[in-house]
This record gives sequence, C-alpha cells and structure tokens, in this order.
Amino acid sequence: GNSVTQMEGPVTLSEEAFLTINCTYTATGYPSLFWYVQYPGEGLQLLLKATKADDKGSNKGFEATYRKETTSFHLEKGSVQVSDSAVYFCALSDRGLNNAGNMLTFGGGTRLMVKP
Amino acid sequence: DGGITQSPKYLFRKEGQNVTLSCEQNLNHDAMYWYRQDPGQGLRLIYYSQIVNDFQKGDIAEGYSVSREKKESFPLTVTSAQKNPTAFYLCAARSGNTIYFGEGSWLTVV
Repeated sequence: GNSVTQMEGPVTLSEEAFLTINCTYTATGYPSLFWYVQYPGEGLQLLLKATKADDKGSNKGFEATYRKETTSFHLEKGSVQVSDSAVYFCALSDRGLNNAGNMLTFGGGTRLMVKP
Repeated sequence: DGGITQSPKYLFRKEGQNVTLSCEQNLNHDAMYWYRQDPGQGLRLIYYSQIVNDFQKGDIAEGYSVSREKKESFPLTVTSAQKNPTAFYLCAARSGNTIYFGEGSWLTVV
C-alpha cells in the first residue's frame, strides 16, 4: 500500500534560517505529491504540488522537487518567517486511482516553530 | 480553498447524542471526503463519495454515517456509537487530481 513518512517535529528555527522538512513515500504507480500547511485551528491549505518526476512545485518561497529515484519530496525554504509557523503535511495521491477517486495518503505532519 | 464551507465551526455534544456536521461546496466537485484529525496527529479518512447517492467507507468509518443526496452537500453524522468523537473534522473535495479542504469543525463531547 501507499505510505508517506516525514520527519518528526517540532522543528524550531530562528527567523531567516533555511528550512528543510524531509518527506519520503512508498507508492504503486505514479503518484502526485503535495505539501499542505495547517495554521493553528484551521483547515489544510494546499501549499504546492508536483505531478510527475523532476517537477518542482513552488509557492510563497517554499519549493519541493519530485525525486522518483529517491522517492522523496522534501520541502525547502531559504528564509523562514515567524508567520510560517504551522504544521506541514506531505501527501500523495495515486494517479492510478484517478477513475476511482483520488484519495490522499498523509504523512504524520511536522510542526514548524519560527522564533523572532 | 476549493469553495468548501463547513459548519458549525464549534460543536458540543452530550454523550449519547447524534450530531451532524455540514459540508457544502459550490464548485461542482464530484468527489468529497471526510477526515478526522486528533490533536497533534495526522488525518484519517472516515468516508468518501465519488458521485451522488454513492459513498464508501474509509479507514475509520465505525460510528459515523454520511449521505450524498445532492452533489454540493456531504453531511457527516457522528452517532452515539462513536466512542471517542472529540476531534477536528475536515471536509474535502477533489478538483482534477488535487484535493482541497474546508476550514474544519471542532467537535467536543461534554
């Protein structure tokens, strides 16, 4: 079956530090990969996505590259801000299920705390 | 946000009562989903529906029920059979190969 593993948090950084949150996956077929962000008390917002190998998703200074050879989709940001403090979820959607309804398989989430 | 509206934001339930969480979408999405999130945890799939009048159990369907009488609506009922219902509930809908989420509903048993 499909699975997503991401680094456990919390990750605590100072403002303007470089961020990496690791994510690796196991899937049959050719999944699409996603990063979602959840701010306190809110739902999940799509942050970025990549649908095929070597694609790079990017948004709001965050980026992640779909690496099929290492089955990874690590999230990076060059300079974090206090407002980036949130929980980040890596997820995959198996395109092989497209006709049956894409469902997401989530990692456990990584809490990021950015200090001024 | 995919045009998904959940209500209420906060709900309190007495033990033994059924409660229904509303999820409405206005962007003509076919597939809709309900997830449960416990504090500090990831998301677990409760039910999903791909078309009107059809729905399937997810990983933790026991103690929950759903209906899909209209394309735009996918309400979730938390029944008295759900022994530990206090959680954050998230509704989602699929557009293409991307799933979008509502703002969530907090359910607390008192």
